[in-house]
Amino acid sequence: DQQVKQNSPSLSVQEGRISILNCDYTNSMFDYFLWYKKYPAEGPTFLISISSIKDKNEDGRFTVFLNKSAKHLSLHIVPSQPGDSAVYFCAASLNSGGSNYKLTFGKGTLLTVNP
Amino acid sequence: NAGVTQTPKFRVLKTGQSMTLLCAQDMNHEYMYWYRQDPGMGLRLIHYSVGEGTTAKGEVPDGYNVSRLKKQNFLLGLESAAPSQTSVYFCASSYRQGWAYNEQFFGPGTRLTVL
Repeated sequence: DQQVKQNSPSLSVQEGRISILNCDYTNSMFDYFLWYKKYPAEGPTFLISISSIKDKNEDGRFTVFLNKSAKHLSLHIVPSQPGDSAVYFCAASLNSGGSNYKLTFGKGTLLTVNP
Repeated sequence: NAGVTQTPKFRVLKTGQSMTLLCAQDMNHEYMYWYRQDPGMGLRLIHYSVGEGTTAKGEVPDGYNVSRLKKQNFLLGLESAAPSQTSVYFCASSYRQGWAYNEQFFGPGTRLTVL
């Protein structure tokens, strides 16, 4: 059973526009969420995170929104740039039970930003 | 700081052969992880370690063994490689500050092909 779902395998947007990447989770015990970015032939790199006590976290062009009641989070990139073209992974962890170091990843969304 | 490094970057094995993938981190992190990434499957946790001398199974541990004899190194072994183990393998590390979980730092990956 997939606990973290990214239902859009790919997304294409124009440079300068907003990119919105979505992620849904099924385990209501998850309380920390992260987004990773991955370029081809490289390892994933951490982008932004959010704790379940918040509903929004912003870092420059990147904003993550969390809707706990819907078990949904989204990553907004504004404005999108060609260098943002990559695979984006959503990940979640449980803070309870001493296992908060383990992440559960979604399958990823390939974002293409067209010049 | 080199961060997380992986050796080798590429490897081709024949079915039944064995090999060891080496992960090293110079950030003094307590936690280390091995993941595999397959097309359309995201990142799946193979094994992890919460400290020197300790290891535990992740989501897909069958066919793999690990060892953490030194804090900075985490080895992933394939005793008898199978074509199903063709994948890209990523190592990651993380640390903990009090109760707060911190993001995982990933290596560049090892691309393994089993013929």
